[in-house]
Amino acid sequence: AQSVTQPDIHITVSEGASLELRCNYSYGATPYLFWYVQSPGQGLQLLLKYFSGDTLVQGIKGFEAEFKRSQSSFNLRKPSVHWSDAAEYFCAVLNTGTASKLTFGTGTRLQVTL
Amino acid sequence: NAGVMQNPRHLVRRRGQEARLRCSPMKGHSHVYWYRQLPEEGLKFMVYLQKENIIDESGMPKERFSAEFPKEGPSILRIQQVVRGDSAAYFCASSPQGGGNTIYFGEGSWLTVV
Repeated sequence: AQSVTQPDIHITVSEGASLELRCNYSYGATPYLFWYVQSPGQGLQLLLKYFSGDTLVQGIKGFEAEFKRSQSSFNLRKPSVHWSDAAEYFCAVLNTGTASKLTFGTGTRLQVTL
Repeated sequence: NAGVMQNPRHLVRRRGQEARLRCSPMKGHSHVYWYRQLPEEGLKFMVYLQKENIIDESGMPKERFSAEFPKEGPSILRIQQVVRGDSAAYFCASSPQGGGNTIYFGEGSWLTVV
């Protein structure tokens, strides 16, 4: 069965600093990977996705993620964090079998200090 | 272009009452998913439906929970005889077809059982 691990529960960075959120997945086939962001009391917004092709994918709000098959990782990065980026970030892998469903990591809560 | 619409956004029920959560998928989407987010946890898959068909309900509790997606109208997640442990955010998502397409989430319905 597929699984997603986000080893960092909580990260604090200063505004303007770079950010990397870690995500490791376990999936038997070629993974379809996603990063979502959730602000408090809100739904999930898709930041970016990887299906195939270029392993460095660009998303919204200046985020990017790199798929590394050898490390089973799909880490999210941003060169310069803004205070408005404070939120919860979820990595997910899609089961593309007979029942398409996302398996989520437990999330990383990002705090941005001014 | 409306996104995934969920209502109510917030619902308070007393123990033993029934809760009904509605979800209208994005226009052109025929696949609906329900996920539950317990406090301080990631999202967990509950059920995957197509029109008039339950495709995968492996994440649904065996009792008190049911879901439907009728030919006409929204998808309904129904929780009978609610208990305090049912308090959570329930997210609906939709996609145009299963197997590899992006899944878009609604804003969620927050259920509080008192």
